[in-house]
Amino acid sequence: DQQVKQNSPSLSVQEGRISILNCDYTNSMFDYFLWYKKYPAEGPTFLISISSIKDKNEDGRFTVFLNKSAKHLSLHIVPSQPGDSAVYFCAASANYGGSQGNLIFGKGTKLSVKP
Amino acid sequence: EPEVTQTPSHQVTQMGQEVILRCVPISNHLYFYWYRQILGQKVEFLVSFYNNEISEKSEIFDDQFSVERPDGSNFTLKIRSTKLEDSAMYFCASIRGLGETQYFGPGTRLLVL
Repeated sequence: DQQVKQNSPSLSVQEGRISILNCDYTNSMFDYFLWYKKYPAEGPTFLISISSIKDKNEDGRFTVFLNKSAKHLSLHIVPSQPGDSAVYFCAASANYGGSQGNLIFGKGTKLSVKP
Repeated sequence: EPEVTQTPSHQVTQMGQEVILRCVPISNHLYFYWYRQILGQKVEFLVSFYNNEISEKSEIFDDQFSVERPDGSNFTLKIRSTKLEDSAMYFCASIRGLGETQYFGPGTRLLVL
């Protein structure tokens, strides 16, 4: 039962280029979406989020796009830097209807940015 | 910047033993969570805790698991009788209110032999 899917287990990008990480979801009750970055042996670090009432949120080099009709979101990193190399997790939550905001994670995409 | 802390960073235990994993959430946060990540798999929700009681739990969180907030700062996860398949990274997270970002601790790596 994969409510949040990241179909690309890995992505390799040249430094300075754009990285695009994709995520699909199936539960229409999700109303809040987040991207986390994770290094080995560390906890997930929050990167950027978007509420279902928006279709875009930008923070510096990171932009998240949400397409509700397609149940799809993507994270754009421009320009990509070698320090961005990590596993990126897409996560979603349903903050209403009795849910207490627990996050459902995708399996992650390992991004490698090559100098 | 305030952060979620977890202890120990690593724990090795024998199958059938009890373990307690400890977390100190961010001080003004009200909702607390435990997640786990088995090696090579995704991060999975275990349980959420609010107002001194469990709000929600997943299928993984069976009666071998329990959570407690014994004082104003600690939030613990107890596994009563560990199994081999409990080996994983366990992450604690907290938020101030619903709709806000969850901040994660660095995790405890549990190895059950």
